[in-house]
Amino acid sequence: AQSVAQPEDQVNVAEGNPLTVKCTYSVSGNPYLFWYVQYPNRGLQFLLKYITGDNLVKGSYGFEAEFNKSQTSFHLKKPSALVSDSALYFCAVRDGSDYKLSFGAGTTVTVRA
Amino acid sequence: EAGVAQSPRYKIIEKRQSVAFWCNPISGHATLYWYQQILGQGPKLLIQFQNNGVVDDSQLPKDRFSAERLKGVDSTLKIQPAKLEDSAVYLCASSFGGSSSTDTQYFGPGTRLTVL
Repeated sequence: AQSVAQPEDQVNVAEGNPLTVKCTYSVSGNPYLFWYVQYPNRGLQFLLKYITGDNLVKGSYGFEAEFNKSQTSFHLKKPSALVSDSALYFCAVRDGSDYKLSFGAGTTVTVRA
Repeated sequence: EAGVAQSPRYKIIEKRQSVAFWCNPISGHATLYWYQQILGQGPKLLIQFQNNGVVDDSQLPKDRFSAERLKGVDSTLKIQPAKLEDSAVYLCASSFGGSSSTDTQYFGPGTRLTVL
């Protein structure tokens, strides 16, 4: 069975500071990892994914994520946060042998001006 | 490129009533998904179609929920009769290929259902 944990319900940062949203996963096969963002009353927007290759993945809106196999983590990062990055962020995982996408519970990011 | 379309955006019904949601995926996307997102939780897959066939409906409460994708394009999800615990956002998503693990799913804006 596959699962995702987002250990922080909320992350608060000041604008201009680095932003990190944590994600750990558990799969039996090869992990395929995704990050989505959800703004109020909107659907989920795709940010980036890791399938294979370089452990550092770059995505939309200046976000990047680092895949760490030994720590089973896929943390989302942004070097300089903007107030407009305030939203709900979801990490999701697929086991390489399964097509189902499992989501974490989400992390609410608040960036203060 | 147009995204995934869903309607209605909001729906309020009383328990034991029926409700239907509609989804039109991104053009050319073979796979369509319906998710239920309860407040404070991540989306949970209800049913997955590839073209007009069901790939997985193991988490669909079949005593009250039904879904169809008759022509392999748009889809309808129905709840009959609704219960209070069905209050949630219902998200539709689509992906280009089959059930490949690497395909990105693209989501619609969702339908927020409130059951009173």
